[in-house]
Amino acid sequence: DIQMTQSPSSLSASVGDRVTITCRASQSITRYLNLNWYQQKPGKAPKLLIYAASTLQSGVPSRFSGSGSGTDFTLTISSLQPEDFATYYCQQSYSAITFGQGTRLEIK
Amino acid sequence: QVQLVESGGGVVQPGRSLRLSCAASGFLFSNYGMYWVRQAPGKGLEWVALIWYDGSNKDYADSGKGRFTISRDNSKNTVYLQMNSLRAEDTALYYCARDRGPPVGLSGGMDVWGQGTMVTVSS
Repeated sequence: DIQMTQSPSSLSASVGDRVTITCRASQSITRYLNLNWYQQKPGKAPKLLIYAASTLQSGVPSRFSGSGSGTDFTLTISSLQPEDFATYYCQQSYSAITFGQGTRLEIK
Repeated sequence: QVQLVESGGGVVQPGRSLRLSCAASGFLFSNYGMYWVRQAPGKGLEWVALIWYDGSNKDYADSGKGRFTISRDNSKNTVYLQMNSLRAEDTALYYCARDRGPPVGLSGGMDVWGQGTMVTVSS
């Protein structure tokens, strides 16, 4: 099974900050770039932000971006907005499906 | 609008069974793969099962293999999760989600989610 490890597990930041969350796969998942990022707010279902490692889902603000290949991937928020404080998950679909453990982004 | 509505959750004793349903609307259901994903209280997301658009392929997380069965009825725009031999560790909010496509493919990304249905396994 492919394990997905996110870092950090939690993060405190301020409005306007640039934030980067990292996701590492236990083996390469490059071939089809089967790496997705989700945002989840308390009491709500997850929301797809980025698919295929770097493609922004329709309707997602451009301050969100994704990059990476092989085993290492990043989600970057260029300038945090109040509505961005949430938990973020990476997810691979190269072999079955696994989610990272989540990164909780809190207001400093 | 595009929508998924789960139902069938509840409180069940260990060892018993439960069938969850997810009714889809607002899109051509028969063209899309579907997933079940669960979230235990205060925990992260865990994939449970997937089914291809036509039901021809299915896959399960190890936690549910041999106990859970995913199926779909494209004439009813509904996907199901039959859960047998339930355990306390199956307690979670169960979401269904749609594969983002393209149609008749399986990308592995989930672009539409329901609101979830809660399953509590307790004696």
